[in-house]
Amino acid sequence: AQTVTQSQPEMSVQEAETVTLSCTYDTSESDYYLFWYKQPPSRQMILVIRQEAYKQQNATENRFSVNFQKAAKSFSLKISDSQLGDAAMYFCAYRSAMDSSYKLIFGSGTRLLVRP
Amino acid sequence: DTGVSQNPRHKITKRGQNVTFRCDPISEHNRLYWYRQTLGQGPEFLTYFQNEAQLEKSRLLSDRFSAERPKGSFSTLEIQRTEQGDSAMYLCASSLLGTGGYTFGSGTRLTVV
Repeated sequence: AQTVTQSQPEMSVQEAETVTLSCTYDTSESDYYLFWYKQPPSRQMILVIRQEAYKQQNATENRFSVNFQKAAKSFSLKISDSQLGDAAMYFCAYRSAMDSSYKLIFGSGTRLLVRP
Repeated sequence: DTGVSQNPRHKITKRGQNVTFRCDPISEHNRLYWYRQTLGQGPEFLTYFQNEAQLEKSRLLSDRFSAERPKGSFSTLEIQRTEQGDSAMYLCASSLLGTGGYTFGSGTRLTVV
């Protein structure tokens, strides 16, 4: 079974600085997808960024980028120029490419605090 | 379209009572998912529908839980004889088959006292 581990329960960053959130996963599959989701205090989960395992190039979405290390099974999220609105719970998630359900396996989350 | 809507937002119930939650997905989305999120944890998959068919149920979904999606539109999740361990946030998400992209609702927070 696949597992996702987020070892940082809480991180803090100064506004305008850069922060990196860690995620490791365990799988025996070679084809899968990885995601970072943001869950603000209002609770609606929104997709931040997505990475296909077959792509070597790291995904980037504006201030958000990932460092995908397939061999190490590591998938970290870098947030540049942090803003107060980035404060939220961040969840790393895995989805098997072999599973037609498209269900997600989530880590336990990292709470990001942004200091003004 | 206002996204995925879940009602109620909060529910407090006494142990042993039955509760029902409703999820209204994005209208053109044919897949609907239920997840459970306990305090300090990430969401865990419970079940999903493709149109009106319930295609998979997690082992987390005990016999006290039942979900339906009549006519492939809204879905309900019922918990019978609630227990304190059922206290959690219940999240609904919908997606369009083939895209894999989820839209989540804001969840229903259940507290069993």
